Amino acid sequence: DAGVIQSPRHEVTEMGQEVTLRCKPISGHDYLFWYRQTMMRGLELLIYFNNNVPIDDSGMPEDRFSAKMPNASFSTLKIQPSEPRDSAVYFCASSFDRIGADEQYFGPGTRLTVT
Amino acid sequence: ILNVEQSPQSLHVQEGDSTNFTCSFPSSNFYALHWYRWETAKSPEALFVMTLNGDEKKKGRISATLNTKEGYSYLYIKGSQPEDSATYLCALSGSARQLTFGSGTQLTVLP
Repeated sequence: DAGVIQSPRHEVTEMGQEVTLRCKPISGHDYLFWYRQTMMRGLELLIYFNNNVPIDDSGMPEDRFSAKMPNASFSTLKIQPSEPRDSAVYFCASSFDRIGADEQYFGPGTRLTVT
Repeated sequence: ILNVEQSPQSLHVQEGDSTNFTCSFPSSNFYALHWYRWETAKSPEALFVMTLNGDEKKKGRISATLNTKEGYSYLYIKGSQPEDSATYLCALSGSARQLTFGSGTQLTVLP
């Protein structure tokens, strides 16, 4: 398996523009997670899905952020409109459905810069 | 809410030295404790997952222990090598599947 795939790897956009980040989890994994990494807050969970259903989106910073998982092999994280404070590295991770002990496999991340 | 503290924040050691760092947590109300290794410009990579008090895991020169009664986990690296340089993250998984990460220990191994 190629592992978790994320695209694009780098994104530079202007404030106010819509940004869409994409993730393909490892085949057969039941859980998909979106994380954001910043210097100030470290690695924080934004939202996660189980069997394509959003379970907990309490980490999503505000209404400008939305995430979808239309099928088991694809998820998107959208920011509209983007702001400079959204600049960060966004990671997608996936895991098997084992009770609480399953390790997560991270994608390479998308480095977002909003100017 | 799971609280995860890691120390030290950063660490420099000489090649060949053995080292260890700590993950502490005030509550034993979690399913598993995870250790991840995060190299610069790469993504976090799972090292160990531990669930039971007294668990010990080993992978090559790296090992980890878990003490849920006193609320800590240690990660040990024996005979550090420059390629061990990375940030080591500790995380707890609670009743849901999400991980709560500590801020990490940044290890630099000097040749």
